[in-house]
Amino acid sequence: QQQVKQSPQSLIVQKGGISIINCAYENTAFDYFPWYQQFPGKGPALLIAIRPDVSEKKEGRFTISFNKSAKQFSLHIMDSQPGDSATYFCAASITSNTGKLIFGQGTTLQVKP
Amino acid sequence: NAGVTQTPKFQVLKTGQSMTLQCAQDMNHNSMYWYRQDPGMGLRLIYYSASEGTTDKGEVPNGYNVSRLNKREFSLRLESAAPSQTSVYFCASHWDITYEQYFGPGTRLTVT
Repeated sequence: QQQVKQSPQSLIVQKGGISIINCAYENTAFDYFPWYQQFPGKGPALLIAIRPDVSEKKEGRFTISFNKSAKQFSLHIMDSQPGDSATYFCAASITSNTGKLIFGQGTTLQVKP
Repeated sequence: NAGVTQTPKFQVLKTGQSMTLQCAQDMNHNSMYWYRQDPGMGLRLIYYSASEGTTDKGEVPNGYNVSRLNKREFSLRLESAAPSQTSVYFCASHWDITYEQYFGPGTRLTVT
């Protein structure tokens, strides 16, 4: 049972453009929604995270938008750069339950110069 | 601080062979996790340990065993490797304060 669905599977964006990756979840008990960034040959690393009590969180060029009623959240990368080319994973967890993360399937982003 | 370390980085096994993947963290985290990453499947949880001395099954535990040797170390064992276990394996530890998981560099395992 896939509790977190991520789309698209791959994305190509021109330098300076906006990259948008979407995720949908099923379990309304989730209360922590992080995005992880993974470069080839490396382990994932936390990029940005949000709790469901806010609708948006911004850190530099990266923004999470959160829609609790629709059970969806998305990552927006503004002014995308070639160095942003990586695989991005959304995830969700119930923080009172050992912090286990349920990951989406991943999106491979390529930013063309 | 080294963070989360994993050994080996690469391994090739024949079907039926056994091996243990090692993981250690130096951040004094309570929780540790083993994931496998396959194309198009994201990261799937194999086993986790919420604290020293406890382990629990994740989403895909079949064919694996784990040991939480102490607070620092969490190993993953394949008793009889199968080609379906060809994957990249990541260990992670979890900081209770921020809920962030820190991942190791991964072990790329091929079973022929």
